[in-house]
Amino acid sequence: GQQVQQSPSSLVLQEGENAELQCNFSSTATQLQWFYQSPGGSLVSLLSNPSGTKHTGRLTSTTVTKERRSSLHISSSQTTDSGTYLCAIEPGANTGKLTFGHGTILRVHP
Amino acid sequence: EAAVTQSPRNKVAVTGGKVTLSCNQTNNHNNMYWYRQDTGHGLRLIHYSYGAGSTEKGDIPDGYKASRPSQENFSLILELATPSQTSVYFCASGETGGSYEQYFGPGTRLTVL
Repeated sequence: GQQVQQSPSSLVLQEGENAELQCNFSSTATQLQWFYQSPGGSLVSLLSNPSGTKHTGRLTSTTVTKERRSSLHISSSQTTDSGTYLCAIEPGANTGKLTFGHGTILRVHP
Repeated sequence: EAAVTQSPRNKVAVTGGKVTLSCNQTNNHNNMYWYRQDTGHGLRLIHYSYGAGSTEKGDIPDGYKASRPSQENFSLILELATPSQTSVYFCASGETGGSYEQYFGPGTRLTVL
Protein backbone atom coordinates (compact mmCIF):
# COMPACT_ATOMS: atom_id res chain seq x y z
CA GLY A 1 0.00 0.00 0.00
CA GLN A 2 0.92 3.65 -0.27
CA GLN A 3 3.56 4.58 2.28
CA VAL A 4 2.76 8.28 2.39
CA GLN A 5 -0.81 9.55 2.45
CA GLN A 6 -1.68 13.22 2.30
CA SER A 7 -4.94 14.91 3.14
CA PRO A 8 -6.93 16.67 2.02
CA SER A 9 -6.32 15.97 -1.66
CA SER A 10 -7.39 19.51 -2.44
CA LEU A 11 -8.24 22.65 -0.52
CA VAL A 12 -9.76 25.98 -1.51
CA LEU A 13 -9.26 29.06 0.66
CA GLN A 14 -9.94 32.75 0.61
CA GLU A 15 -6.86 34.90 0.92
CA GLY A 16 -5.99 35.44 4.57
CA GLU A 17 -7.34 32.10 5.78
CA ASN A 18 -5.10 29.47 7.32
CA ALA A 19 -4.43 26.02 5.88
CA GLU A 20 -3.64 22.77 7.64
CA LEU A 21 -2.19 19.97 5.54
CA GLN A 22 -1.70 16.44 6.84
CA CYS A 23 0.82 13.72 6.03
CA ASN A 24 0.58 10.19 7.42
CA PHE A 25 3.16 7.53 6.76
CA SER A 26 3.17 3.79 7.28
CA SER A 27 6.85 3.17 8.04
CA THR A 28 9.41 4.73 10.32
CA ALA A 29 10.94 7.83 8.81
CA THR A 30 14.44 9.14 9.41
CA GLN A 31 13.72 12.19 7.30
CA LEU A 32 10.57 14.10 6.42
CA GLN A 33 10.51 16.91 3.95
CA TRP A 34 7.75 19.23 2.72
CA PHE A 35 7.90 20.54 -0.84
CA TYR A 36 5.97 23.11 -2.83
CA GLN A 37 5.32 22.47 -6.51
CA SER A 38 4.30 25.54 -8.45
CA PRO A 39 1.59 25.43 -11.11
CA GLY A 40 4.46 25.64 -13.60
CA GLY A 41 5.96 22.43 -12.19
CA SER A 42 9.05 23.54 -10.33
CA LEU A 43 9.73 21.82 -6.99
CA VAL A 44 10.98 23.79 -4.02
CA SER A 45 11.95 22.41 -0.64
CA LEU A 46 9.97 24.19 2.08
CA LEU A 47 11.47 22.58 5.14
CA SER A 48 12.89 19.43 6.60
CA ASN A 49 11.24 18.25 9.81
CA PRO A 50 11.84 14.64 10.85
CA SER A 51 10.57 15.36 14.38
CA GLY A 52 9.22 18.16 16.52
CA THR A 53 8.06 21.57 15.40
CA LYS A 54 9.75 23.82 12.91
CA HIS A 55 8.85 27.34 11.73
CA THR A 56 9.85 29.23 8.64
CA GLY A 57 8.04 32.40 7.69
CA ARG A 58 4.29 31.68 7.58
CA LEU A 59 4.89 27.93 7.66
CA THR A 60 4.85 25.69 10.73
CA SER A 61 5.44 21.97 10.54
CA THR A 62 4.82 19.56 13.40
CA THR A 63 5.97 15.96 13.12
CA VAL A 64 5.05 13.33 15.70
CA THR A 65 7.40 10.51 14.79
CA LYS A 66 5.88 7.86 17.05
CA GLU A 67 2.43 8.50 15.55
CA ARG A 68 3.86 8.62 12.00
CA ARG A 69 2.27 11.88 11.07
CA SER A 70 3.24 15.39 10.14
CA SER A 71 1.30 18.57 9.52
CA LEU A 72 2.05 21.74 7.62
CA HIS A 73 0.27 24.89 8.75
CA ILE A 74 0.18 27.87 6.42
CA SER A 75 -0.94 31.05 8.11
CA SER A 76 -2.53 34.05 6.40
CA SER A 77 -2.64 32.39 3.00
CA GLN A 78 -1.85 34.39 -0.14
CA THR A 79 -2.83 33.78 -3.74
CA THR A 80 0.83 33.03 -4.47
CA ASP A 81 0.60 30.03 -2.11
CA SER A 82 -1.54 28.25 -4.70
CA GLY A 83 0.06 25.06 -5.94
CA THR A 84 0.69 21.51 -4.79
CA TYR A 85 2.23 20.62 -1.45
CA LEU A 86 4.12 17.36 -1.29
CA CYS A 87 5.22 15.40 1.74
CA ALA A 88 8.12 12.97 1.41
CA ILE A 89 9.76 10.60 3.86
CA GLU A 90 12.99 8.70 3.96
CA PRO A 91 11.77 5.27 5.09
CA GLY A 92 14.25 3.22 7.06
CA ALA A 93 17.70 4.15 8.17
CA ASN A 94 19.72 6.69 6.23
CA THR A 95 19.18 5.45 2.70
CA GLY A 96 18.86 8.96 1.32
CA LYS A 97 15.86 7.80 -0.72
CA LEU A 98 12.59 9.72 -0.52
CA THR A 99 9.09 8.33 -0.94
CA PHE A 100 6.51 10.94 -1.89
CA GLY A 101 2.83 11.35 -1.20
CA HIS A 102 0.50 12.42 -3.99
CA GLY A 103 0.16 15.91 -2.62
CA THR A 104 -2.45 18.44 -1.56
CA ILE A 105 -3.57 20.90 -4.23
CA LEU A 106 -4.13 24.31 -2.65
CA ARG A 107 -6.03 27.11 -4.34
CA VAL A 108 -6.17 30.50 -2.68
CA HIS A 109 -8.70 32.94 -4.08
CA PRO A 110 -8.34 36.73 -3.74
CA GLU B 1 22.14 30.84 -9.75
CA ALA B 2 20.35 27.48 -9.82
CA ALA B 3 22.19 24.75 -7.94
CA VAL B 4 20.62 21.84 -9.86
CA THR B 5 20.21 22.22 -13.60
CA GLN B 6 18.81 19.83 -16.17
CA SER B 7 19.11 19.58 -19.93
CA PRO B 8 17.26 19.48 -22.14
CA ARG B 9 14.17 21.08 -20.61
CA ASN B 10 11.94 19.62 -23.28
CA LYS B 11 12.56 16.64 -25.55
CA VAL B 12 10.55 14.84 -28.19
CA ALA B 13 11.87 11.39 -29.08
CA VAL B 14 10.76 8.55 -31.32
CA THR B 15 9.96 5.07 -30.12
CA GLY B 16 13.10 2.94 -30.12
CA GLY B 17 15.43 5.89 -30.05
CA LYS B 18 18.06 6.62 -27.43
CA VAL B 19 17.50 9.50 -25.03
CA THR B 20 19.97 10.96 -22.56
CA LEU B 21 18.85 13.37 -19.86
CA SER B 22 21.57 15.31 -18.09
CA CYS B 23 21.78 16.79 -14.64
CA ASN B 24 24.40 19.02 -13.06
CA GLN B 25 24.62 20.15 -9.44
CA THR B 26 26.83 22.72 -7.76
CA ASN B 27 25.77 21.83 -4.19
CA ASN B 28 28.73 19.46 -3.77
CA HIS B 29 26.27 16.82 -2.58
CA ASN B 30 27.27 13.20 -2.60
CA ASN B 31 23.83 11.89 -3.54
CA MET B 32 21.94 12.47 -6.76
CA TYR B 33 18.56 11.15 -7.83
CA TRP B 34 16.34 10.75 -10.86
CA TYR B 35 12.56 10.77 -10.44
CA ARG B 36 9.66 10.75 -12.83
CA GLN B 37 6.33 12.38 -12.13
CA ASP B 38 3.08 11.14 -13.62
CA THR B 39 -0.52 11.98 -12.85
CA GLY B 40 -1.89 9.43 -10.44
CA HIS B 41 1.53 8.14 -9.41
CA GLY B 42 3.25 11.15 -7.98
CA LEU B 43 7.04 11.26 -7.90
CA ARG B 44 8.81 7.91 -8.22
CA LEU B 45 12.50 7.16 -7.86
CA ILE B 46 14.19 5.63 -10.92
CA HIS B 47 17.91 5.58 -10.10
CA TYR B 48 20.16 7.26 -7.59
CA SER B 49 23.84 7.58 -6.80
CA TYR B 50 25.92 7.92 -3.68
CA GLY B 51 28.92 9.41 -5.47
CA ALA B 52 30.99 9.42 -8.61
CA GLY B 53 31.07 5.99 -10.22
CA SER B 54 28.12 4.64 -8.25
CA THR B 55 24.58 4.02 -9.44
CA GLU B 56 21.77 2.28 -7.60
CA LYS B 57 18.36 1.08 -8.71
CA GLY B 58 15.39 2.95 -7.33
CA ASP B 59 11.80 1.80 -7.24
CA ILE B 60 11.12 1.78 -11.01
CA PRO B 61 14.47 1.20 -12.80
CA ASP B 62 13.27 -0.97 -15.70
CA GLY B 63 14.00 0.57 -19.08
CA TYR B 64 16.46 3.10 -17.64
CA LYS B 65 20.18 3.26 -17.05
CA ALA B 66 22.11 5.87 -15.10
CA SER B 67 25.64 7.19 -15.18
CA ARG B 68 27.54 9.26 -12.58
CA PRO B 69 30.88 10.19 -14.12
CA SER B 70 31.64 12.92 -11.58
CA GLN B 71 30.39 14.48 -8.35
CA GLU B 72 28.56 17.14 -10.33
CA ASN B 73 26.94 15.16 -13.16
CA PHE B 74 24.33 12.44 -13.25
CA SER B 75 22.69 11.21 -16.45
CA LEU B 76 19.59 9.16 -17.11
CA ILE B 77 19.69 7.04 -20.25
CA LEU B 78 16.78 5.51 -22.12
CA GLU B 79 18.40 3.07 -24.57
CA LEU B 80 15.16 2.19 -26.35
CA ALA B 81 12.55 4.82 -25.56
CA THR B 82 8.90 3.78 -25.38
CA PRO B 83 5.72 5.89 -25.23
CA SER B 84 5.19 4.72 -21.62
CA GLN B 85 8.30 6.70 -20.72
CA THR B 86 6.58 9.95 -21.65
CA SER B 87 6.74 11.90 -18.42
CA VAL B 88 8.33 14.77 -16.54
CA TYR B 89 11.74 13.84 -15.15
CA PHE B 90 13.30 15.52 -12.14
CA CYS B 91 16.86 15.35 -10.95
CA ALA B 92 17.75 16.09 -7.34
CA SER B 93 20.80 16.27 -5.13
CA GLY B 94 21.13 15.74 -1.40
CA GLU B 95 22.88 14.06 1.47
CA THR B 96 22.03 11.13 3.70
CA GLY B 97 20.97 11.93 7.23
CA GLY B 98 18.15 13.22 9.36
CA SER B 99 18.22 16.92 8.65
CA TYR B 100 19.50 16.99 5.11
CA GLU B 101 17.21 18.13 2.33
CA GLN B 102 16.95 17.19 -1.32
CA TYR B 103 17.07 19.98 -3.87
CA PHE B 104 15.42 19.57 -7.24
CA GLY B 105 16.13 20.70 -10.74
CA PRO B 106 13.51 22.36 -12.95
CA GLY B 107 12.45 19.14 -14.68
CA THR B 108 12.58 17.79 -18.21
CA ARG B 109 9.41 17.13 -20.13
CA LEU B 110 9.95 14.07 -22.34
CA THR B 111 7.49 13.00 -25.00
CA VAL B 112 8.07 9.70 -26.79
CA LEU B 113 6.06 9.35 -29.99
